[in-house]
Amino acid sequence: DAGITQSPRHKVTETGTPVTLRCHQTENHRYMYWYRQDPGHGLRLIHYSYGVKDTDKGEVSDGYSVSRSKTEDFLLTLESATSSQTSVYFCAISESSGANTEAFFGQGTRLTVV
Amino acid sequence: QQQVKQSPQSLIVQKGGISIINCAYENTAFDYFPWYQQFPGKGPALLIAIRPDVSEKKEGRFTISFNKSAKQFSLHIMDSQPGDSATYFCAAGYSGTYKYIFGTGTRLKVLA
Repeated sequence: DAGITQSPRHKVTETGTPVTLRCHQTENHRYMYWYRQDPGHGLRLIHYSYGVKDTDKGEVSDGYSVSRSKTEDFLLTLESATSSQTSVYFCAISESSGANTEAFFGQGTRLTVV
Repeated sequence: QQQVKQSPQSLIVQKGGISIINCAYENTAFDYFPWYQQFPGKGPALLIAIRPDVSEKKEGRFTISFNKSAKQFSLHIMDSQPGDSATYFCAAGYSGTYKYIFGTGTRLKVLA
């Protein structure tokens, strides 16, 4: 999986609690992304980063924040988890921007909010 | 305009048969169309991709057909094998950006 480690791989949390998911890469790629995968919706972009401390919103960013203090780490925080955030979360990285750029995905984090 | 519509949701094919998955898009600004393959418990992985200046791209048993006027593209898997059983996602992207719009996925099962 192209040197991408997501942690934790599985998590169950209660509604209203904050949750942080971590993505760590060893490829020194500039661009990092967080997606969520839900049945019937495919993969939807939550947030992305185009460099250290440079982040921007994707199409489903409400209720999520991100931080990138080092090239290798991209954190996704659910500020107050809700049941609608139960999903499988994937981190992805890419070396450069633009079309023709392959995005490499991690193995995913399955989050359940009860 | 941002959507990529993918069909069918699921597909069952006999070993040796042809699997066909279709996608359609609205936004003519899209200029890069990758297909991703995902096995259970794994992240998606790039399978094959095409740009709209060609009508077909083939890599082994996998072929993308692209119809620019119809704004449609499809994945053909020839001589389908049980090991091809996975979920397939089409996507569309723009030059100069780093965001893809993904289809909703097709779960393929190839019977032995």
